[in-house]
Amino acid sequence: NAGVTQTPKFQVLKTGQSMTLQCAQDMNHEYMSWYRQDPGMGLRLIHYSVGAGITDQGEVPNGYNVSRSTTEDFPLRLLSAAPSQTSVYFCASSPGLGTDTQYFGPGTRLTVL
Amino acid sequence: GEDVEQSLFLSVREGDSSVINCTYTDSSSTYLYWYKQEPGAGLQLLTYIFSNMDMKQDQRLTVLLNKKDKHLSLRIADTQTGDSAIYFCAESGNTDKLIFGTGTRLQVFP
Repeated sequence: NAGVTQTPKFQVLKTGQSMTLQCAQDMNHEYMSWYRQDPGMGLRLIHYSVGAGITDQGEVPNGYNVSRSTTEDFPLRLLSAAPSQTSVYFCASSPGLGTDTQYFGPGTRLTVL
Repeated sequence: GEDVEQSLFLSVREGDSSVINCTYTDSSSTYLYWYKQEPGAGLQLLTYIFSNMDMKQDQRLTVLLNKKDKHLSLRIADTQTGDSAIYFCAESGNTDKLIFGTGTRLQVFP
């Protein structure tokens, strides 16, 4: 199993550009989520999904869209990038919550100029 | 809303014990977790504790939970340089969301 994969590893955007951060998992996990990590603020939940076709907002959803058309993929779209979205983005998956471990991807470092 | 707080830094000498503290506000927390993040990597689950437990021990790791004070701690015995990382406390309540603390950067010096 590859686990949770994320692409790209690094990305630089100009303000106003759009892009999609890819996340895929091959463990047949129902639960997937996107976090952003900023210094001194820990990880903040952007969006999450409890199964294909189901998504919900987390703590900081503004400026981001998600969809979950398959169990494996959970892309995160930035509609019009802003410098405030400069961050490291982590995707995670798990069978569920509770005692189920969340498996994290390696992260995407995004810089918006 | 739910909030999870940690101190930002901890520095210990190799061989000593490290204690990383966390406080949370959600009284309905069901599970509480400790994750470790090494430089340039994602997070790895270290251990978790169910909210009806006071203590859990796993090799060098001891988790203590004071539910009345909403205080969670992680003790690492015989701290090694390989333990240098950022440690995140997290909690899940009755929702599908996992709320993380700000992370504590542990630095171990010889």
